[in-house]
Amino acid sequence: DAGVIQSPRHEVTEMGQEVTLRCKPISGHDYLFWYRQTMMRGLELLIYFNNNVPIDDSGMPEDRFSAKMPNASFSTLKIQPSEPRDSAVYFCASSSGVINTEAFFGQGTRLTVV
Amino acid sequence: GENVEQHPSTLSVQEGDSAVIKCTYSDSASNYFPWYKQELGKRPQLIIDIRSNVGEKKDQRIAVTLNKTAKHFSLHITETQPEDSAVYFCAAKESGGSYIPTFGRGTSLIVHP
Repeated sequence: DAGVIQSPRHEVTEMGQEVTLRCKPISGHDYLFWYRQTMMRGLELLIYFNNNVPIDDSGMPEDRFSAKMPNASFSTLKIQPSEPRDSAVYFCASSSGVINTEAFFGQGTRLTVV
Repeated sequence: GENVEQHPSTLSVQEGDSAVIKCTYSDSASNYFPWYKQELGKRPQLIIDIRSNVGEKKDQRIAVTLNKTAKHFSLHITETQPEDSAVYFCAAKESGGSYIPTFGRGTSLIVHP
């Protein structure tokens, strides 16, 4: 298995533009997480899915952020419109629903909004 | 929900010294405690974990201890090397129906050669 795959690795966009980040979890994992990492806030959980269903999106900062998981092998995080303060590294992670198992992280997407 | 506090935020040591990073958690239902290492520009990766039925676990130069009564756990790195320089995250995961790891803020470890 290639692990959790995220794309793109880097994204530079202008303020006001729509940004879509993509994630392919590890096959067989039924939990998928989106995290945002900044120097100020560390790793923040934005939203997580269980069996493709969003369970808790309380970490999503604003209505400008939305996430979907149309099937077990694909998820997107969308920011519309983007703002400079959204600049961060966004990680997708997946794990098995079995108790006491680790979360596996993707390589992350470094987003810069200018 | 769970709350994980991690200290210190930065730690600077000389090569060969030991390094200790401490975390506390709030939810007594948490029973799985992984530690992740994140090298510059890379993803967090698991380096060691401990479950609530043991008090200590060791893997070569790294060890983790857990005190469930006090709700704290620690990462110990002995004989530190420059390649140990990274950000380390602790996490706590509860067994009460959600499998969501809650992460500490991270510790930036710098090992000076």
